[in-house]
Order: sequence, then structure tokens, then C-alpha cells
Amino acid sequence: EVQLVESGGGLVQPGGSLRLSCAASGFTFSSYEMNWVRQAPGKGLEWVSYISSSGSTIYYADSVKGRFTISRDNAKNSLYLQMNSLRAEDTAVYYCARTLVGATALDIWGQGTMVTVSS
Amino acid sequence: DIQMTQSPSSLSASVGDRVTITCRASQSISSYLNWYQQKPGKAPKLLIYAASSLQSGVPSRFSGSGSGTDFTLTISSLQPEDFATYYCQQSYSTPRITFGQGTRLEIK
Repeated sequence: EVQLVESGGGLVQPGGSLRLSCAASGFTFSSYEMNWVRQAPGKGLEWVSYISSSGSTIYYADSVKGRFTISRDNAKNSLYLQMNSLRAEDTAVYYCARTLVGATALDIWGQGTMVTVSS
Repeated sequence: DIQMTQSPSSLSASVGDRVTITCRASQSISSYLNWYQQKPGKAPKLLIYAASSLQSGVPSRFSGSGSGTDFTLTISSLQPEDFATYYCQQSYSTPRITFGQGTRLEIK
């Protein structure tokens, strides 16, 4: 079964750090571009970051640039999001999502992990 | 950034109804438009990609159309499991994708 499973969310104080992980299974992870997308409570979807299949190309939303770092380990079939200098407005469910080959749509999503930034 | 605007923001309909949701882009995005369904507490699910291509496993009652700036998602005959929130998403500026604000489809 094709699957993405996120972990690492939790409660963190403003200014703190957190590292999210996304474990992939059921497909050749190293062949796919990957993304992080977040959803604040009761709000819509916001794209956060993208990484190419090799990890050589990376993009960030302006709202997280300079604070978040996306990475991947193809040998471990894993995607990561290092989040530093966290703010209250970063509070959201964070999803990892796979890019559909040739279509630039997100075809497989994880179940999400909740990040709460609060004192 | 390309802004995506959906209408309506919410919609009430009955089982068996034909429903249309509209998405408008702030600039032309050709056919780089995707549609997702999200149920409460769940991850989004891809329904339609490239404006009109049905994702594998998605029922044929879902269809998409449009190009340029105006797009529609149509559900031909609503089923109970279709009550959810729907999002459009542009991939013209990939990988910097943006989503519409969502359309909540509720039972009348």
C-alpha cells in the first residue's frame, strides 16, 4: 500500500524548534518530488515547501523562508521539515504530500501531524 | 503570487443534486488546475488534475472543466459521501502552488 506517515508534531513555545518526519512506503520514494503543506485550525491549505526527487532543488513559501528547512533521505525513504524560530501563526496540521509524476498535483498525502506553538 | 478564488464559499444541496463549484485564477494558468476533496479530520484527496483528468479511483460523477482563468468542478449526482470541503489548486507556478479558500458542501 502506498503510504505516507508523519510524526514529530507537538506543543512548542514561541521561538522554539521542532523536526517533522514523513516515512514513505509502498513506492519508490527516490523517484518522487515531495512537499509539505499545512492547514491552520479551521482554515484552508497552504503550501510550505518543495524538494526535488534528488534533493538538489528546494523551494519555500515566503512565510517560512529562513526559518524552515526541508530535506530528505532517500536511503531511509524519509522526508523531513526542520522548523526553527516558531511563531504562533505556524500552528497547524502539517501534511507531507507526493507530487504526481507529470501532473504537478499532490496525489498521496499523509494523515498529518499537529504543531501547536504556544506559551 | 497567483490568487485562487472559489465560489461559493459554502453550498447546501441534497443527495442526487447536480452541483457545480467555480474557481477563478488571478491570471491565466492554462489548464494547470487541480481539485481536492477534504473530509473533517482527514487529509485532502486528489480528485481532478490538469483541469479535467480524473484521478485513478475517483468516481465518474466528478468532472472538471475550464482553462485560462475560469474552472469548474461538477458532481453530477451527489452521494452522501460527497459532503465535504473542496479546494482548487493552481500548479502553473509550480512548485509554488496555491490553493483556493475552499467550498464547504453541506447537506440540505
